[in-house]
Amino acid sequence: AQTVTQSQPEMSVQEAETVTLSCTYDTSESNYYLFWYKQPPSRQMILVIRQEAYKQQNATENRFSVNFQKAAKSFSLKISDSQLGDTAMYFCAFMKPGSGGSNYKLTFGKGTLLTVNP
Amino acid sequence: EAGVAQSPRYKIIEKRQSVAFWCNPISGHATLYWYQQILGQGPKLLIQFQNNGVVDDSQLPKDRFSAERLKGVDSTLKIQPAKLEDSAVYLCASSWQGYEQYFGPGTRLTVT
Repeated sequence: AQTVTQSQPEMSVQEAETVTLSCTYDTSESNYYLFWYKQPPSRQMILVIRQEAYKQQNATENRFSVNFQKAAKSFSLKISDSQLGDTAMYFCAFMKPGSGGSNYKLTFGKGTLLTVNP
Repeated sequence: EAGVAQSPRYKIIEKRQSVAFWCNPISGHATLYWYQQILGQGPKLLIQFQNNGVVDDSQLPKDRFSAERLKGVDSTLKIQPAKLEDSAVYLCASSWQGYEQYFGPGTRLTVT
């Protein structure tokens, strides 16, 4: 079974600064997807960024980027120019595609609560 | 495009009572998921539907939880009878191509 570990229960950062959230995972699979989701107090889970394991290039979405180290099974999220609206719970998640593409199961870490201070 | 809809947003019941949650996925999404998120933890998959068939219900406590997806669109998750440890947020998600799941706002259940 796959496991996802987020070792930082809480983090804080000053507005406009950069912060990095850590995530490690354990799997014997070679083909999989990794995700970072954001969950603000409203509870709506929002996809931040996605990384396919077969791609060596790190994914980037505007101010969000990842550092994907496949051999080390590490998948960290970097938020640049932090904004007050980035305050939320961030979850790292692992997905192993199932046979026939019909069984895409997400395994989540416990989350990191990020607070952006003015 | 309308997102995933869930109702109710909040529910408070006493233990041993029953409760039902409703989910309407994004139009055209064949796959629907129910997750349980206990406070301080990440979501855990309870059940996954592909159209109106069950793909994975390995973590669904079948002695008290049930779910259905009639006609491959809306879905209902039921708990009967509820226990204190069922207090959680219940999230519904849907997807079209599988790897990108869209989540609803969730239902916060409190069992007293």
